[in-house]
Amino acid sequence: ETGVTQTPRHLVMGMTNKKSLKCEQHLGHNAMYWYKQSAKKPLELMFVYSLEERVENNSVPSRFSPECPNSSHLFLHLHTLQPEDSALYLCASSQVGVSYNEQFFGPGTRLTVL
Amino acid sequence: AQSVTQLDSHVSVSEGTPVLLRCNYSSSYSPSLFWYVQHPNKGLQLLLKYTSAATLVKGINGFEAEFKKSETSFHLTKPSAHMSDAAEYFCVVSGPDDYKLSFGAGTTVTVRA
Repeated sequence: ETGVTQTPRHLVMGMTNKKSLKCEQHLGHNAMYWYKQSAKKPLELMFVYSLEERVENNSVPSRFSPECPNSSHLFLHLHTLQPEDSALYLCASSQVGVSYNEQFFGPGTRLTVL
Repeated sequence: AQSVTQLDSHVSVSEGTPVLLRCNYSSSYSPSLFWYVQHPNKGLQLLLKYTSAATLVKGINGFEAEFKKSETSFHLTKPSAHMSDAAEYFCVVSGPDDYKLSFGAGTTVTVRA
């Protein structure tokens, strides 16, 4: 595996389900991100982990719960979601501390909430 | 605060003709700027980046962008469009925190045969 991988690629869930999205980066980076991409809206940064500590939580509802067990893995735990949470969820990684912040993205998980 | 404005939400070109995607930025410091491309049902791929070295930046697949500080612009061009260039393109500015990127709303490119 190379780059940033995400599983599953597609997920359909009911509003009462609990599911998790997984992201893994194979680049040796020290920061990982969750973004939400909805139709016709700019990318929204949800969470940032730098050196395995959460450094950003962009007013995300508590029904989304991130977990970063180590610098290579990032999870997004989902529970009691709403239909408006249907979107493409993108994971990214970068090396914080360089003079610029080039982020590498995974292919995303297409989430549909029924 | 930093932000970017992509001036065109949709650009349509004929195959073999030039492509121009316009981006203006706002930043209170010397920014790093990026262009990313997203093909349907795919993640974002970096096309090119400006990091205060040369103002004309060459990227992958024949794309290039010119940083113009006086105009606060970072327009993306390609001399000859290919069908595979049909995608969504995002102009992005970095900062002020190490990890924060601000994305434009995106420009959808369609290429006519």
